[in-house]
Amino acid sequence: ERVMTQSPATLSVSPGERAALSCRASQSISSNLAWYQQKPGQAPRLLIYGASTRATGIPVRFSGNGSGTEFTLTINSLQSEDFAVYYCQQYNDWPPITFGQGTRLEIK
Amino acid sequence: QVQLVQSGAEVKKPGSSVKVSCKVSGGTLSNHAISWVRQAPGQGLEWMGGFIPIFGSAKYAQRFQGRVTITADESTSTASMEVTSLRSDDTAVYYCGTSTRPYPTWFDAWGQGTLVTVSS
Repeated sequence: ERVMTQSPATLSVSPGERAALSCRASQSISSNLAWYQQKPGQAPRLLIYGASTRATGIPVRFSGNGSGTEFTLTINSLQSEDFAVYYCQQYNDWPPITFGQGTRLEIK
Repeated sequence: QVQLVQSGAEVKKPGSSVKVSCKVSGGTLSNHAISWVRQAPGQGLEWMGGFIPIFGSAKYAQRFQGRVTITADESTSTASMEVTSLRSDDTAVYYCGTSTRPYPTWFDAWGQGTLVTVSS
């Protein structure tokens, strides 16, 4: 099973600044990684797949990079609506599909 | 654009079973793998299993094997997930999610979630 570890657990950033969220896989997952945003009471929303491809309708301030075991989601010029919980997910090796434990992005 | 609509909230007794459905529109079950993901209160996302069209059957996370059954009915465009022998720690929001391929990848569409509460 591929274990996904996200860091930090909580990230405090001011609006307008940049946030960098990390995700590490226990073994190589090539570029088979997705990122999701989740707000309270809502289903997750796909942001990035293939480690770096933005999903339909996702603003360009969201970008993803990495391959193998180290991945980063960067959010430039944070907007108020970006403060949420973010999850990474690997789909390289299944079952099972596995998610990271999440990073909470909060307003500083 | 695939859309998923799930059945409503359930309250169940410990030891009983629950079945949650997920109706798919804008796509066919034969082309899209459907997965079930749950989220306990205040916790993260956990993949339980999914129906995999390329296999014509479901695959499960090991911890749910034997207690969870996932099916897909193409005639009604509906996927279902049944959990038996419910325990209090099965209290969670259960989501269905679809992949663009007939095997699990990223989930580009999600149902609205179904809250299952297990309480005596």
